[in-house]
Amino acid sequence: DTGVSQDPRHKITKRGQNVTFRCDPISEHNRLYWYRQTLGQGPEFLTYFQNEAQLEKSRLLSDRFSAERPKGSFSTLEIQRTEQGDSAMYLCASSFPGLAGGRETQYFGPGTRLLVL
Amino acid sequence: AQSVTQPDIHITVSEGASLELRCNYSYGATPYLFWYVQSPGQGLQLLLKYFSGDTLVQGIKGFEAEFKRSQSSFNLRKPSVHWSDAAEYFCAVGAYGNKLVFGAGTILRVKS
Repeated sequence: DTGVSQDPRHKITKRGQNVTFRCDPISEHNRLYWYRQTLGQGPEFLTYFQNEAQLEKSRLLSDRFSAERPKGSFSTLEIQRTEQGDSAMYLCASSFPGLAGGRETQYFGPGTRLLVL
Repeated sequence: AQSVTQPDIHITVSEGASLELRCNYSYGATPYLFWYVQSPGQGLQLLLKYFSGDTLVQGIKGFEAEFKRSQSSFNLRKPSVHWSDAAEYFCAVGAYGNKLVFGAGTILRVKS
């Protein structure tokens, strides 16, 4: 049973460049979440998908950020025109909703650490 | 709005000593509560969760947590800490819309 995987694990880029991260959830998990974690802080919610539908986006997700999950399986998170403030760990999580009122457990991937120079 | 407070940024304990990490939450409905652990440069691993029922929940690696509604707390405990427990620990509440709201974390250091 494979867990959530993310690629790449590390990315260094120059300010102004575009970057794309990929997340592969646990198979049969229909919900997929993206979080951002800056140094010394807990993860903060960015967005989530149920199957291929993007159901919620945080105000943290500026118009430079876009996320997709085209076939309801893997997801990509793209950051355009990166800024130094985008430097963070980007975490992906997946879940399969429980039967009772949305109780679910999110399982996290190893994260992609982004450094913008 | 939902929030989670972890009052201790750092905690140092001796190997073999007991451990308690504090977590207080603010949430208007019945909370779903979680503890995750993160080793340096790694993702989050689930330690335990509380959805309902018995307020004392057992997790992996010998950890347990107790939900106290009257105190809005969900403290994590371990009777005897091992050096391999050194990591950062995050408390989280499952909020409206299914997202998790995390505390800022507590870094655990273990003295040998």
